[in-house]
Amino acid sequence: EDKVVQSPLSLVVHEGDTVTLNCSYEVTNFRSLLWYKQEKKAPTFLFMLTSSGIEKKSGRLSSILDKKELFSILNITATQTGDSAVYLCAFVTGANSKLTFGKGITLSVRP
Amino acid sequence: DVKVTQSSRYLVKRTGEKVFLECVQDMDHENMFWYRQDPGLGLRLIYFSYDVKMKEKGDIPEGYSVSREKKERFSLILECASTNQTSMYLCATGGDSNQPQHFGDGTRLSIL
Repeated sequence: EDKVVQSPLSLVVHEGDTVTLNCSYEVTNFRSLLWYKQEKKAPTFLFMLTSSGIEKKSGRLSSILDKKELFSILNITATQTGDSAVYLCAFVTGANSKLTFGKGITLSVRP
Repeated sequence: DVKVTQSSRYLVKRTGEKVFLECVQDMDHENMFWYRQDPGLGLRLIYFSYDVKMKEKGDIPEGYSVSREKKERFSLILECASTNQTSMYLCATGGDSNQPQHFGDGTRLSIL
């Protein structure tokens, strides 16, 4: 059975800290891994990773995939209170872009 | 920008009612999905559709059905609502497996 595990489940940091969020997976027919950020409403797309070892970057956020060790990390540098959210990791298997999600990591950034 | 619109943000219904949740997308995507999200359980796939009139069961289809009569619209139906279906329901749409899914704002459904 496919599964994805995120850790830690929750995290509290102070503004300016750097955080690393982890996502490990065991899947068959892996196609890609996605990261989403969810505040009050809809999850918003952050990154899609398909190739091992290639870092994707957007401002203070970056992510990388290790297909040999079966994990991905999401880094946030110089955290701000607006980074407080649930961060979701999901993987795509099959041709219909069906997603299987982890349970999410709740990040709280305190002023 | 992709727009995925869910018909209601909040909905309150009674046990035993038939409930319809509607989702409309404007991106001409083939694939559409319904998830529910519960604390401690994350997002779980209920049903998805990869074409008009086509549907496939997700991980938790029991108690639900879906309808896709037009490409842009995907409806989730609770045939006989029960209290354990109180949840946040999220619709998503996506192209092929090389494109991310985009989500609607969700419907917070309470069954009393």
